[in-house]
Amino acid sequence: QKEVEQDPGPLSVPEGAIVSLNCTYSNSAFQYFMWYRQYSRKGPELLMYTYSSGNKEDGRFTAQVDKSSKYISLFIRDSQPSDSATYLCAMTLKGGYQKVTFGTGTKLQVIP
Amino acid sequence: GAVVSQHPSRVICKSGTSVKIECRSLDFQATTMFWYRQFPKQSLMLMATSNEGSKATYEQGVEKDKFLINHASLTLSTLTVTSAHPEDSSFYICSAVDKTGAVQETQYFGPGTRLLVL
Repeated sequence: QKEVEQDPGPLSVPEGAIVSLNCTYSNSAFQYFMWYRQYSRKGPELLMYTYSSGNKEDGRFTAQVDKSSKYISLFIRDSQPSDSATYLCAMTLKGGYQKVTFGTGTKLQVIP
Repeated sequence: GAVVSQHPSRVICKSGTSVKIECRSLDFQATTMFWYRQFPKQSLMLMATSNEGSKATYEQGVEKDKFLINHASLTLSTLTVTSAHPEDSSFYICSAVDKTGAVQETQYFGPGTRLLVL
C-alpha cells in the first residue's frame, strides 16, 4: 500500500463547476499537508498549506484535512480553464525541512 | 516572494558526459534544498536532501557518486549527473525551504530541468 493514494484521473469538468480533489494516506504521523499545482513540463506551485486538521480557504480554493479519517481534500469553486493542470497532494511529518511525500497527482481538465 | 530558479531549463547531452544543474533561491535564504526526479505521468521522487555547508543525504537507491550535490551557499545548490546515460533522462526539480519566511514549513519548487541523454 502506498503511503499516499490519489486518483490519477483525468477529471474533466465544465467551466464554473466545483471541483473536488482528494487524497488518503496511511501514516497518522503526518502533520503538514499541502496542495501543489503543476502545469505540464513545469515545477509544482504551492497552492495551499495546512497544519493538522481543519479547513483553510484562499480565494476559490478550500483545503480540508480530516486526520481522524486520514483524508484530505481540495475544493476549487468556479473552476476556470486556467485551472487545468495536475494537482498533487503532499504531506510531511514535521514541516518543510523534512521529506515530502507526494501523491501521484490528479490531472484536471476544465472545459470552456 | 519565495522564488526558486533552475538552470538550464532543458539540456540534451551525449551518453557519457556530465551535466550540471543549478538551483537558486532568488529572494530568500535556504539552508535546505531538495532534489527530486519526475518521470512522465509519475509523481516526484525525492533523490537527496542538500544542506548548506555539509554533505547531502541521499535516498535509498540513489547513487551518490553518480548524482553529485553541492550546496555551497545559502542560495545555490547544484546537481551534477556524472557519466549520464539514457536512463537518466528525466525531469529534475529542486525545492528550497525559506528559513526566514512566514511559512517555514513548506518547500518552494523550481521550474524544473528536462534532461535528455542521447
